[in-house]
Amino acid sequence: QVQLVESGGGVVQPGGSLRLSCAASGFSLSNFAMHWVRQAPGKRLEWVASIRFDGANKYYADSVKGRLTISSDISKNTLYLQMNSLIAEDTAVYYCAKEKSPRANTATSAFDSWGQGTLVTVSS
Amino acid sequence: EILLTQSPATLSLSPGERATLSCRASQSVSRYLAWYQQKPGQGPRLLIYDASYRATGIPARFSGSGSGTDFTLTITSLEPEDCAVYYCHQHNDWPLTFGGGTKVEIK
Repeated sequence: QVQLVESGGGVVQPGGSLRLSCAASGFSLSNFAMHWVRQAPGKRLEWVASIRFDGANKYYADSVKGRLTISSDISKNTLYLQMNSLIAEDTAVYYCAKEKSPRANTATSAFDSWGQGTLVTVSS
Repeated sequence: EILLTQSPATLSLSPGERATLSCRASQSVSRYLAWYQQKPGQGPRLLIYDASYRATGIPARFSGSGSGTDFTLTITSLEPEDCAVYYCHQHNDWPLTFGGGTKVEIK
């Protein structure tokens, strides 16, 4: 069955970098758009970034544009989020999520599978 | 940015009662509206997609309705395991956005 497992979270100082991974199983990343969504403590879910099933298009929230980069390695069936120039406001649990419809334009369907999340804490 | 406003913030009901959760969009999202359930320490779980279609494995007591700017998630007969926070989500336009959530408590 479909499974998403995030890793790579931890404590990092302001201005530092971190790379999150999301290992996918039960399906191929080459067939589905993927997303990163974060949730700060006690806050609502916040969309962060998306990548089209073929990697042709990437989308970012304004709050992370230029600092966070979404990518995927089809051979490893793994999604990544490279996080640079981190600030306190990036502190959150980060989830990866899979879109429901295969080989469709990004964000044309809901997110039907989510990981358990990985915590990123930006603090000095 | 499309703002999603959920109400009420908290709903406290007894088992067997009907729960009605509202999600209002600041502009039309057509039917590109989903509902998720989130329990503590877990990732969200898709309940409803395209406003009114139940996701795979979701019990029939969960139903969704609406289009445009006003949407409703109904749980017809609450079970103890329905205790969770429920979020609506629009994917009609960028940036994708989520509502602030409704916490359902079971008395």
